This record gives sequence, structure tokens and C-alpha cells, in this order.
Amino acid sequence: DAGVIQSPRHEVTEMGQEVTLRCKPISGHDYLFWYRQTMMRGLELLIYFNNNVPIDDSGMPEDRFSAKMPNASFSTLKIQPSEPRDSAVYFCASRVAGGGGETQYFGPGTRLLVL
Amino acid sequence: AQSVAQPEDQVNVAEGNPLTVKCTYSVSGNPYLFWYVQYPNRGLQFLLKYITGDNLVKGSYGFEAEFNKSQTSFHLKKPSALVSDSALYFCAVREVGGKLIFGQGTELSVKP
Repeated sequence: DAGVIQSPRHEVTEMGQEVTLRCKPISGHDYLFWYRQTMMRGLELLIYFNNNVPIDDSGMPEDRFSAKMPNASFSTLKIQPSEPRDSAVYFCASRVAGGGGETQYFGPGTRLLVL
Repeated sequence: AQSVAQPEDQVNVAEGNPLTVKCTYSVSGNPYLFWYVQYPNRGLQFLLKYITGDNLVKGSYGFEAEFNKSQTSFHLKKPSALVSDSALYFCAVREVGGKLIFGQGTELSVKP
């Protein structure tokens, strides 16, 4: 299996522009998670999906952030408009459904820089 | 709410010496605990987990962790450190609904 795939790996954009991050989870996984990592705040969960349905978006910073999962093999995280404070590494992770101890598998991340 | 704490921002160890990276947890009910490692410019990689059973859990790359209920700890250990073990280590606990709550991370530095 190729693992969790994220694109792009690096993104540099200017303040005010729209940014779209993409994720392909591991085939057969039922859950998909979006995280953000910064030096100041560490690793934060933004939102997660179960069977393509958003379950908990309490970590989404504000209305500028939105996430979708149109099918089991694709998800997007969109920032519109982007701001310099959105600069971070964004990770996608996926796992199978189960009784609770299932491992999350992480993608390589997208490093976003907003100028 | 569930939480984990990693009391050390950085751990320095000489190659060949044993290493310990500390983690304490706070949960209601039975804890599901995880350790992940992050190498520079990479995503997090799963090392090991405790769900139930034996308190000593063995994982990838020779790492192990000891679950201690009375001390609410889940410390990561390795008998003999390698320079290649230098990385950022995260402890995590599963919360209701399936999401993971991560600690702040501990930077492990192994010197030759």
C-alpha cells in the first residue's frame, strides 16, 4: 500500500489567496483526520471524518477553514482567504473503524507558507 | 477530557546508553495509549500502543513502553540508543469518538 498521500508537499502563497490541500487515505480506512503542526501550538486536530461524514470540526480555527470528503478516497482542506498565521505543516491521517485501539497512519504532510 | 503530558522538551543520551522518554496521562476509564515518532520533515510514524493486557508493550525499532496504572504513566524506553533514534517523539491518548490527543512532543538527541 502506498500509505496516506498528500499533495502538494510544499505550498507558498500570498496572504489573501485560496489554498487547497489534498489527501488520499489508505484504501479501506473509514476515518480521516486533518491535523496542523506549529512550533507554538504543537499538533492540533482540526477535523475528522467517519465514512465521509464530518464528525468533529471543533478544532477548525475559523470560518476561513473548510474541509470536505466527497468520497472514501479523497479529502480536501481549504483555507480562504489565507493569512500568515496559517503557516504550518498540515497532516492527514487515516485509520480503520474498530473498538478503539486502531492505529492512525499519517501522511508526509504539506508545508504551507503564507507570505 | 483525556490528556497526556510529556514533561521533558528535550532528552539527551549518549549512543549505546538506555533511553527513556516520559509520558503521563489523565483519562476517565481505560486508556488507549500510543507512541509516535517524527523524523525531520516527515509525517508521524506509529511506534507502539497499549490497549490492554501485558503492561510492557514492544514496538518498532527496538522500542518498548511500560504502562503503569498506579503512576498513570506510559514511558517509552530503549535499552541501547542509536544516533538514528534522534527525532521528535509524541505520546497520545485516544479520546471518546476515536480522535487522538497528543502531547507536546519530546526532542530526543542521541550523540555518538
